[in-house]
Amino acid sequence: GAGVSQTPSNKVTEKGKYVELRCDPISGHTALYWYRQSLGQGPEFLIYFQGTGAADDSGLPNDRFFAVRPEGSVSTLKIQRTERGDSAVYLCASSQWDGREQFFGPGTRLTVL
Amino acid sequence: SQQGEEDPQALSIQEGENATMNCSYKTSINNLQWYRQNSGRGLVHLILIRSNEREKHSGRLRVTLDTSKKSSSLLITASRAADTASYFCATDGDSGNTPLVFGKGTRLSVIA
Repeated sequence: GAGVSQTPSNKVTEKGKYVELRCDPISGHTALYWYRQSLGQGPEFLIYFQGTGAADDSGLPNDRFFAVRPEGSVSTLKIQRTERGDSAVYLCASSQWDGREQFFGPGTRLTVL
Repeated sequence: SQQGEEDPQALSIQEGENATMNCSYKTSINNLQWYRQNSGRGLVHLILIRSNEREKHSGRLRVTLDTSKKSSSLLITASRAADTASYFCATDGDSGNTPLVFGKGTRLSVIA
């Protein structure tokens, strides 16, 4: 049983560019979460999917951030017009419908130059 | 925003000693979980304690929860160098599959 996977593991981009980060959850997990973690801080919630729909996107910092999960499995976090302040580790997690435990992927380290 | 605060922010102990980390949170919770993180990457789930539980054990881990004080503690007994990591507490709301709210973490260093 594979765990949550995220690609790429590292992404370096220039200010103003567009990036996509991918998350493959554990098979059968209906809930998927995106978190962002800055250096020296705990993860902070961005968006949560239940199936294909975003159940809670209150953590997205602004409209440059968008996420999709079109088939209820793989999710993509999209960041437009990246800024240096977007540099962080982006973590994805999944859980079962009635699960309390969230299983985290290894994260994508995004660096905006 | 962060829900909880871990205390201490950093802890350095000798191998074989016990390590105690504390977590305080602000709002009512359904569950409290502890996670471990190595090298700033993926988090590993350690233990979950429900709001109606007061203490839980898993191997060398012991977690307590005091909902009246909105606090929890994580005890690692007989620490090993491999326990060196950051430890986070995380709380969730009172419905299923709610996002976790993490504290800032305690950085534990176990010296061999």
